[in-house]
Amino acid sequence: DADVTQTPRNRITKTGKRIMLECSQTKGHDRMYWYRQDPGLGLRLIYYSFDVKDINKGEISDGYSVSRQAQAKFSLSLESAIPNQTALYFCATSDLGDKGGYTFGSGTRLTVV
Amino acid sequence: AQSVTQLGSHVSVSEGALVLLRCNYSSSVPPYLFWYVQYPNQGLQLLLKYTSAATLVKGINDFEAEFKKSETSFHLTKPSAHMSDAAEYFCAVSSGGYQKVTFGTGTKLQVIP
Repeated sequence: DADVTQTPRNRITKTGKRIMLECSQTKGHDRMYWYRQDPGLGLRLIYYSFDVKDINKGEISDGYSVSRQAQAKFSLSLESAIPNQTALYFCATSDLGDKGGYTFGSGTRLTVV
Repeated sequence: AQSVTQLGSHVSVSEGALVLLRCNYSSSVPPYLFWYVQYPNQGLQLLLKYTSAATLVKGINDFEAEFKKSETSFHLTKPSAHMSDAAEYFCAVSSGGYQKVTFGTGTKLQVIP
């Protein structure tokens, strides 16, 4: 099994729909992150969480929300999806002692039509 | 504030030739620096990292990078390109202990037979 599992792998949804992307990890890491990847823009941070009771906005949090249900689970929600949220979404984890090295999931390709 | 600039969104090399992918960073404090590789339809994988120890860092698959403080650079090199090296490469920087990482916009490496 993968260390960081994202579900679904692919999703097509309609404008205005609410959608949740899920991430679970078996690394035992405290820190979890959600990034989106767009061609030519690299990865941009949406939200991050340093422990279950700590949630922080990243650089592009508008239109998104998150929930840290447990140390191992961190979900990302789009409350009302819009076409410019079409992107590849990645969940990542890190350990305080790992000096910033991330373990990434395989990504969720989201298309909003 | 921290930032990363990757010079060249696309780089082409012949199989067996030297690979050089350029990365310059900006950080107000001594940085941690990373290179990640992304193969098609996969998540990002840590290739190597600099965390203030040796300035020449060796990673997987014969890649290495040298931290040059005077030039604020962390270029990635490989002596001899293989077809399997074709992928997108991301440079990233982290400042301080809170481990938020800023990614560059990526460089796609094409290896020509």
